[in-house]
Amino acid sequence: AQSVTQLDSHVSVSEGTPVLLRCNYSSSYSPSLFWYVQHPNKGLQLLLKYTSAATLVKGINGFEAEFKKSETSFHLTKPSAHMSDAAEYFCVVRIKAAGNKLTFGGGTRVLVKP
Amino acid sequence: KAGVTQTPRYLIKTRGQQVTLSCSPISGHRSVSWYQQTPGQGLQFLFEYFSETQRNKGNFPGRFSGRQFSNSRSEMNVSTLELGDSALYLCASSLGADSYEQYFGPGTRLTVT
Repeated sequence: AQSVTQLDSHVSVSEGTPVLLRCNYSSSYSPSLFWYVQHPNKGLQLLLKYTSAATLVKGINGFEAEFKKSETSFHLTKPSAHMSDAAEYFCVVRIKAAGNKLTFGGGTRVLVKP
Repeated sequence: KAGVTQTPRYLIKTRGQQVTLSCSPISGHRSVSWYQQTPGQGLQFLFEYFSETQRNKGNFPGRFSGRQFSNSRSEMNVSTLELGDSALYLCASSLGADSYEQYFGPGTRLTVT
């Protein structure tokens, strides 16, 4: 079985400072990993995905994530936070043997202070 | 291209009633998955349909069921509603059975009183 742990339930940053959202996964198989963002009262939007190609993955809106197999981690970063980044972020794992079933982490709510 | 649409967006039901939620995937997408989002349990997988067949099912009671039509539109049904069924129900569509990218709709907010 696979699982995802997001190490921080809340992160607070100042506008213009770096953002780091931490994610660890557990999987018996080679996983595909994703980060999704959910703005208030909205659906989920895909930020980026790792599917066994390059370990450093660039996504939309300046976000990127690095897959580290030895640490079973897939942390999300952004060099400079913007007010519009305030949202909830989900780290997600998918195992090919499980079809399109996604397993979600508990989410990290990001607050951006002016 | 239009995104995933879900209807209705908001719904209030009473305990014991049943409810049907609808999801229209992106044109050309043949796979539809359903998720339940609650503050306590987070996002949990309900089921996945591809070409009118259920491929995968999460750990939910039999009161939760779904189906997919030949045009890929999907419905999920919850019978004998309980207070704990209050949640945001999200639908996601993808091109095929093993597609990496899933596109989510805005969800249906169900409140059970």
